[in-house]
Amino acid sequence: GIQVEQSPPDLILQEGANSTLRCNFSDSVNNLQWFHQNPWGQLINLFYIPSGTKQNGRLSATTVATERYSLLYISSSQTTDSGVYFCAGTQTGANNLFFGTGTRLTVIP
Amino acid sequence: DGGITQSPKYLFRKEGQNVTLSCEQNLNHDAMYWYRQDPGQGLRLIYYSQIVNDFQKGDIAEGYSVSREKKESFPLTVTSAQKNPTAFYLCASCKGNTGELFFGEGSRLTVL
Repeated sequence: GIQVEQSPPDLILQEGANSTLRCNFSDSVNNLQWFHQNPWGQLINLFYIPSGTKQNGRLSATTVATERYSLLYISSSQTTDSGVYFCAGTQTGANNLFFGTGTRLTVIP
Repeated sequence: DGGITQSPKYLFRKEGQNVTLSCEQNLNHDAMYWYRQDPGQGLRLIYYSQIVNDFQKGDIAEGYSVSREKKESFPLTVTSAQKNPTAFYLCASCKGNTGELFFGEGSRLTVL
């Protein structure tokens, strides 16, 4: 299967700061998604973004499929943004989502 | 409200016992998935099912079994053959042919 590398593995921000999380894939991917795992463990869909750019409030994401990476931007971070952010994607013709090991974000007041 | 319901949220079991985790969805999604998450790790696929009465092994199927008798339900049994079953288990379903997955709240299994 494909390898998914996320960076940075850990990130501590002051409330109000901006950040960029990166996801690199070892091979071409489809169905790229970003998730936020809250402190209770639930995975919340942030973006379904096979290519291009999407924005939702303070969050936006960009996927450059030809270069096999995706970026998640968080602006004006809040303490409620804390948690683990995962990216995941499928190989062409497959149904299995491959996950990275996540970026653990801590936003301090 | 539409969604994916997993139960129980917390479960303790003794070694050598089988346990079944429930996953029900009312989203009318065809495909359903079970993932396992260990502390500090990403998710790994156990089993998935794209249609009723059919399912496929994922990367770590050994020691697990599933059934898909109804579109809405995809229960996972953790058998005594699973050597290290303590983990967080997440069920998901897939919206149409887009590959976009939605997850339940998870079930945390602890083997004593």
